[in-house]
Amino acid sequence: EDQVTQSPEALRLQEGESSSLNCSYTVSGLRGLFWYRQDPGKGPEFLFTLYSAGEEKEKERLKATLTKKESFLHITAPKPEDSATYLCAVRTKMDSNYQLIWGAGTKLIIKP
Amino acid sequence: DAGITQSPRHKVTETGTPVTLRCHQTENHRYMYWYRQDPGHGLRLIHYSYGVKDTDKGEVSDGYSVSRSKTEDFLLTLESATSSQTSVYFCAISAGGPTDTQYFGPGTRLTVL
Repeated sequence: EDQVTQSPEALRLQEGESSSLNCSYTVSGLRGLFWYRQDPGKGPEFLFTLYSAGEEKEKERLKATLTKKESFLHITAPKPEDSATYLCAVRTKMDSNYQLIWGAGTKLIIKP
Repeated sequence: DAGITQSPRHKVTETGTPVTLRCHQTENHRYMYWYRQDPGHGLRLIHYSYGVKDTDKGEVSDGYSVSRSKTEDFLLTLESATSSQTSVYFCAISAGGPTDTQYFGPGTRLTVL
């Protein structure tokens, strides 16, 4: 069964304390891995798409990387405004159908 | 934000009543989706549309129906609301379909008493 697991469920960091969020997946055919940010009371906001192992993408203090089994979202010197829930989703293809499988998210809290 | 609005933003209703949620987009995207989000779960697809009057079921479609009479509007109807349908509902759009990035609306929080 295709599955996406995010860890940890929650992460509390001090401002400036770098860390990583993990998205591990077991799917039959990866057709892209997505990272989104979600603020309380709002819809998910698209951050990155990764397609192949070894690929990396960066945006401000965030860098996403992809291996054959997992993706990491590295946060360098975070600020309080980086506090949000980060969602990972994997797109798979079975026969002629695509589907998007979502992880439950990691809630990140950055304390000033 | 992509040009997506949802209405209402909050709704409280009683078990057994019908409820309709509306998603409106100004991006002229062909594909539209309805998801629900519950604590401890990833987003789950309810229904999606790949064009006017063209819709299909997602993984959690029981108890829900949809309609799309115009490109810009996608309606989600709970035929007879149940407490298990208390959730936050998100609409999403994409230009190129299932291989394209999805962009989300602000959500509707629905409480069924």
